[in-house]
Amino acid sequence: KAGVTQTPRYLIKTRGQQVTLSCSPISGHRSVSWYQQTPGQGLQFLFEYFSETQRNKGNFPGRFSGRQFSNSRSEMNVSTLELGDSALYLCASSLGPGVGQETQYFGPGTRLLVL
Amino acid sequence: DQQVKQNSPSLSVQEGRISILNCDYTNSMFDYFLWYKKYPAEGPTFLISISSIKDKNEDGRFTVFLNKSAKHLSLHIVPSQPGDSAVYFCAARKMKTSYDKVIFGPGTSLSVIP
Repeated sequence: KAGVTQTPRYLIKTRGQQVTLSCSPISGHRSVSWYQQTPGQGLQFLFEYFSETQRNKGNFPGRFSGRQFSNSRSEMNVSTLELGDSALYLCASSLGPGVGQETQYFGPGTRLLVL
Repeated sequence: DQQVKQNSPSLSVQEGRISILNCDYTNSMFDYFLWYKKYPAEGPTFLISISSIKDKNEDGRFTVFLNKSAKHLSLHIVPSQPGDSAVYFCAARKMKTSYDKVIFGPGTSLSVIP
Protein backbone atom coordinates (compact mmCIF):
# COMPACT_ATOMS: atom_id res chain seq x y z
CA LYS A 1 0.00 0.00 0.00
CA ALA A 2 1.43 3.39 -0.97
CA GLY A 3 2.25 5.79 1.84
CA VAL A 4 1.29 9.40 2.28
CA THR A 5 2.48 11.52 -0.61
CA GLN A 6 3.08 15.25 -0.58
CA THR A 7 3.70 17.60 -3.47
CA PRO A 8 5.76 19.51 -4.13
CA ARG A 9 8.71 18.34 -2.06
CA TYR A 10 10.53 21.67 -2.24
CA LEU A 11 9.29 25.16 -2.88
CA ILE A 12 10.83 28.63 -2.93
CA LYS A 13 8.57 31.67 -2.70
CA THR A 14 8.97 35.35 -1.93
CA ARG A 15 7.28 37.36 0.79
CA GLY A 16 3.72 38.31 -0.01
CA GLN A 17 3.10 35.41 -2.36
CA GLN A 18 0.72 32.59 -1.63
CA VAL A 19 1.35 28.85 -1.79
CA THR A 20 -0.72 25.68 -2.02
CA LEU A 21 0.57 22.34 -0.79
CA SER A 22 -1.02 19.00 -1.59
CA CYS A 23 -1.34 15.77 0.35
CA SER A 24 -2.65 12.37 -0.73
CA PRO A 25 -3.38 10.09 2.23
CA ILE A 26 -2.89 6.35 2.45
CA SER A 27 -5.64 4.54 0.58
CA GLY A 28 -8.61 4.06 2.90
CA HIS A 29 -7.53 6.79 5.31
CA ARG A 30 -10.11 9.51 5.70
CA SER A 31 -8.48 11.80 8.22
CA VAL A 32 -5.70 14.20 7.24
CA SER A 33 -3.71 16.47 9.56
CA TRP A 34 -1.19 19.16 8.76
CA TYR A 35 1.82 20.19 10.86
CA GLN A 36 4.53 22.81 10.65
CA GLN A 37 8.06 22.04 11.79
CA THR A 38 10.61 24.82 12.08
CA PRO A 39 14.29 24.44 13.08
CA GLY A 40 14.56 23.65 16.77
CA GLN A 41 10.81 23.30 17.17
CA GLY A 42 8.61 20.30 17.51
CA LEU A 43 5.63 19.65 15.32
CA GLN A 44 3.08 22.45 15.52
CA PHE A 45 -0.44 21.34 14.68
CA LEU A 46 -2.19 23.33 11.95
CA PHE A 47 -5.51 21.58 11.31
CA GLU A 48 -7.19 18.24 10.81
CA TYR A 49 -9.83 17.22 8.30
CA PHE A 50 -12.21 14.30 8.21
CA SER A 51 -14.91 13.75 5.61
CA GLU A 52 -14.21 17.17 4.09
CA THR A 53 -14.84 18.89 7.42
CA GLN A 54 -12.29 20.61 9.60
CA ARG A 55 -12.34 18.74 12.92
CA ASN A 56 -9.55 20.48 14.83
CA LYS A 57 -7.58 23.65 14.39
CA GLY A 58 -4.27 24.84 15.84
CA ASN A 59 -3.19 28.33 16.84
CA PHE A 60 -2.14 29.71 13.49
CA PRO A 61 -3.31 32.94 11.83
CA GLY A 62 -6.05 32.97 9.26
CA ARG A 63 -3.45 33.13 6.48
CA PHE A 64 -3.20 29.37 6.92
CA SER A 65 -6.16 27.49 5.53
CA GLY A 66 -6.94 24.05 4.26
CA ARG A 67 -9.53 21.86 2.69
CA GLN A 68 -10.23 18.23 2.02
CA PHE A 69 -11.80 16.72 -1.06
CA SER A 70 -14.26 13.86 -1.38
CA ASN A 71 -11.41 11.45 -2.21
CA SER A 72 -9.74 12.45 1.12
CA ARG A 73 -6.92 14.33 -0.60
CA SER A 74 -6.13 17.55 1.16
CA GLU A 75 -4.58 20.90 0.35
CA MET A 76 -3.30 23.63 2.57
CA ASN A 77 -2.85 27.22 1.51
CA VAL A 78 -0.74 29.96 2.99
CA SER A 79 -1.46 33.48 1.80
CA THR A 80 0.69 36.59 2.12
CA LEU A 81 3.80 34.60 2.93
CA GLU A 82 6.16 35.83 5.62
CA LEU A 83 9.80 34.92 6.19
CA GLY A 84 8.78 33.04 9.34
CA ASP A 85 6.64 30.68 7.29
CA SER A 86 9.79 28.95 6.06
CA ALA A 87 9.43 25.45 7.44
CA LEU A 88 8.87 21.79 6.74
CA TYR A 89 5.14 21.20 6.29
CA LEU A 90 4.07 17.69 7.13
CA CYS A 91 0.88 15.90 6.31
CA ALA A 92 -0.32 12.86 8.24
CA SER A 93 -3.21 10.52 7.58
CA SER A 94 -5.15 8.11 9.74
CA LEU A 95 -8.17 5.87 9.26
CA GLY A 96 -10.44 8.24 11.10
CA PRO A 97 -11.40 9.76 14.43
CA GLY A 98 -12.58 6.60 16.09
CA VAL A 99 -10.88 4.64 18.83
CA GLY A 100 -8.56 2.17 17.18
CA GLN A 101 -8.09 4.45 14.18
CA GLU A 102 -5.89 7.01 15.84
CA THR A 103 -2.40 6.28 14.55
CA GLN A 104 -1.17 8.92 12.14
CA TYR A 105 1.25 8.13 9.33
CA PHE A 106 3.33 10.95 7.94
CA GLY A 107 4.36 11.95 4.46
CA PRO A 108 7.88 13.13 3.60
CA GLY A 109 6.94 16.78 3.92
CA THR A 110 7.18 19.88 1.76
CA ARG A 111 10.16 22.13 2.47
CA LEU A 112 9.06 25.74 1.97
CA LEU A 113 11.59 28.54 1.80
CA VAL A 114 10.32 32.12 1.83
CA LEU A 115 12.79 34.76 0.62
CA ASP B 1 1.61 25.89 27.74
CA GLN B 2 3.51 22.76 26.76
CA GLN B 3 1.26 19.81 27.47
CA VAL B 4 3.79 17.20 26.34
CA LYS B 5 7.36 17.57 27.51
CA GLN B 6 10.57 15.83 26.61
CA ASN B 7 13.08 17.35 28.99
CA SER B 8 16.17 15.78 27.46
CA PRO B 9 16.98 17.46 24.14
CA SER B 10 19.64 14.85 23.42
CA LEU B 11 20.87 11.44 24.52
CA SER B 12 23.97 9.39 23.64
CA VAL B 13 24.10 5.63 24.09
CA GLN B 14 26.61 2.95 23.20
CA GLU B 15 25.59 0.40 20.59
CA GLY B 16 24.08 -2.69 22.21
CA ARG B 17 23.02 -0.88 25.37
CA ILE B 18 19.53 0.26 26.35
CA SER B 19 18.20 3.65 25.28
CA ILE B 20 15.55 5.18 27.51
CA LEU B 21 13.66 8.20 26.24
CA ASN B 22 11.33 9.97 28.62
CA CYS B 23 8.18 11.98 28.17
CA ASP B 24 5.92 13.80 30.64
CA TYR B 25 2.47 15.18 30.08
CA THR B 26 0.26 17.54 32.01
CA ASN B 27 -3.23 16.78 30.75
CA SER B 28 -4.77 13.83 32.58
CA MET B 29 -7.42 13.57 29.84
CA PHE B 30 -4.90 12.21 27.34
CA ASP B 31 -5.75 8.59 26.69
CA TYR B 32 -3.60 7.62 23.76
CA PHE B 33 0.15 8.02 23.39
CA LEU B 34 2.50 7.53 20.46
CA TRP B 35 6.20 7.57 19.68
CA TYR B 36 7.63 8.64 16.36
CA LYS B 37 11.15 8.56 14.98
CA LYS B 38 12.34 11.21 12.56
CA TYR B 39 15.41 11.34 10.33
CA PRO B 40 16.52 14.69 8.87
CA ALA B 41 14.58 15.78 5.80
CA GLU B 42 12.02 12.98 6.23
CA GLY B 43 8.59 12.78 7.78
CA PRO B 44 8.21 11.13 11.20
CA THR B 45 7.81 7.37 11.22
CA PHE B 46 5.35 5.77 13.62
CA LEU B 47 7.09 3.45 16.10
CA ILE B 48 4.74 2.32 18.81
CA SER B 49 1.67 3.43 20.70
CA ILE B 50 -0.10 2.72 23.96
CA SER B 51 -3.60 3.23 25.21
CA SER B 52 -4.21 4.57 28.70
CA ILE B 53 -5.82 1.27 29.68
CA LYS B 54 -2.41 -0.40 29.45
CA ASP B 55 0.86 0.22 31.24
CA LYS B 56 3.16 -1.50 28.77
CA ASN B 57 3.30 -2.25 25.09
CA GLU B 58 6.08 -4.09 23.34
CA ASP B 59 7.06 -4.39 19.69
CA GLY B 60 10.37 -6.03 18.94
CA ARG B 61 13.19 -3.94 20.34
CA PHE B 62 10.80 -1.15 21.36
CA THR B 63 8.81 -1.07 24.59
CA VAL B 64 6.70 1.80 25.85
CA PHE B 65 5.83 2.12 29.53
CA LEU B 66 3.03 4.31 30.81
CA ASN B 67 2.72 5.54 34.41
CA LYS B 68 -0.60 7.35 34.56
CA SER B 69 -0.29 8.45 38.16
CA ALA B 70 3.00 10.18 37.37
CA LYS B 71 1.81 11.32 33.93
CA HIS B 72 4.98 9.84 32.52
CA LEU B 73 5.85 7.52 29.70
CA SER B 74 9.11 6.16 28.45
CA LEU B 75 10.38 4.40 25.36
CA HIS B 76 12.98 1.68 25.80
CA ILE B 77 15.09 0.51 22.87
CA VAL B 78 17.00 -2.70 23.48
CA PRO B 79 19.55 -3.29 22.09
CA SER B 80 20.31 0.11 20.60
CA GLN B 81 21.67 0.16 17.06
CA PRO B 82 23.42 2.94 15.10
CA GLY B 83 20.40 3.11 12.77
CA ASP B 84 18.31 4.17 15.76
CA SER B 85 20.09 7.54 15.74
CA ALA B 86 17.29 10.01 15.06
CA VAL B 87 14.98 12.47 16.76
CA TYR B 88 12.23 10.81 18.79
CA PHE B 89 8.92 12.53 19.36
CA CYS B 90 6.43 11.65 22.03
CA ALA B 91 2.80 12.50 21.24
CA ALA B 92 -0.51 12.36 23.06
CA ARG B 93 -4.17 12.89 22.32
CA LYS B 94 -7.62 12.63 23.80
CA MET B 95 -9.79 10.12 22.01
CA LYS B 96 -12.55 8.76 24.19
CA THR B 97 -13.86 11.87 25.89
CA SER B 98 -13.58 14.18 22.93
CA TYR B 99 -11.74 13.73 19.70
CA ASP B 100 -8.90 16.19 19.83
CA LYS B 101 -5.70 17.02 18.01
CA VAL B 102 -2.42 15.24 18.57
CA ILE B 103 0.03 17.12 20.76
CA PHE B 104 3.71 16.51 20.12
CA GLY B 105 6.63 16.99 22.45
CA PRO B 106 9.73 18.91 21.30
CA GLY B 107 11.71 15.75 20.60
CA THR B 108 14.85 14.05 21.91
CA SER B 109 17.82 13.52 19.61
CA LEU B 110 19.27 10.04 20.14
CA SER B 111 22.81 9.21 19.07
CA VAL B 112 23.85 5.58 19.18
CA ILE B 113 27.62 5.32 19.16
CA PRO B 114 29.12 2.27 17.43
